[in-house]
Amino acid sequence: GDSVTQMEGPVTLSEEAFLTINCTYTATGYPSLFWYVQYPGEGLQLLLKATKADDKGSNKGFEATYRKETTSFHLEKGSVQVSDSAVYFCALTPNTGNQFYFGTGTSLTVIP
Amino acid sequence: DTGVSQNPRHKITKRGQNVTFRCDPISEHNRLYWYRQTLGQGPEFLTYFQNEAQLEKSRLLSDRFSAERPKGSFSTLEIQRTEQGDSAMYLCASSLVGVGQETQYFGPGTRLLVL
Repeated sequence: GDSVTQMEGPVTLSEEAFLTINCTYTATGYPSLFWYVQYPGEGLQLLLKATKADDKGSNKGFEATYRKETTSFHLEKGSVQVSDSAVYFCALTPNTGNQFYFGTGTSLTVIP
Repeated sequence: DTGVSQNPRHKITKRGQNVTFRCDPISEHNRLYWYRQTLGQGPEFLTYFQNEAQLEKSRLLSDRFSAERPKGSFSTLEIQRTEQGDSAMYLCASSLVGVGQETQYFGPGTRLLVL
């Protein structure tokens, strides 16, 4: 069945460091891929998405590219800030779009 | 900006009691989803509605769980005879079905603790 596997955390980085959170997926057909972020005490917020192969989603300095050949959607940011501390979830929805499949989440802490 | 809202935000109950949660989706959205999230895990799909019709239910949704969306707007999720294993965050999301893949927008969740 459809599933998402993402890099386990927690991840701790210094401010201005480079961030990569790996995400790979298993799906039939052509799913859409998403990154959601969950700040402490808040609900999930959409960070970025990509709906077809080679698309790049970007928002708030974060980027991820839909790579069908490697079934990956890795999240990157060139220079993290303390305010980026949160839990990041990779997710997919199959081309039927009926539900989301989430990864287990990666906790990021950025220290000054 | 009226996003997805959920009530209550927190609920503590004793084992065996019934609880009901409410979700108000974004007003023009026709799909509404319920998920459950336990500590350290990603959300797991429970069920979804398109308008008032419940179209899919996960095998995670035991007979003690029931969800309704009577007028195609707000939805309720009821858990009967709660068990300690029901303790989790219950998330609601909504989306607008259209061309291509829709994005789901999540509410803040209802955190349930069963003692």
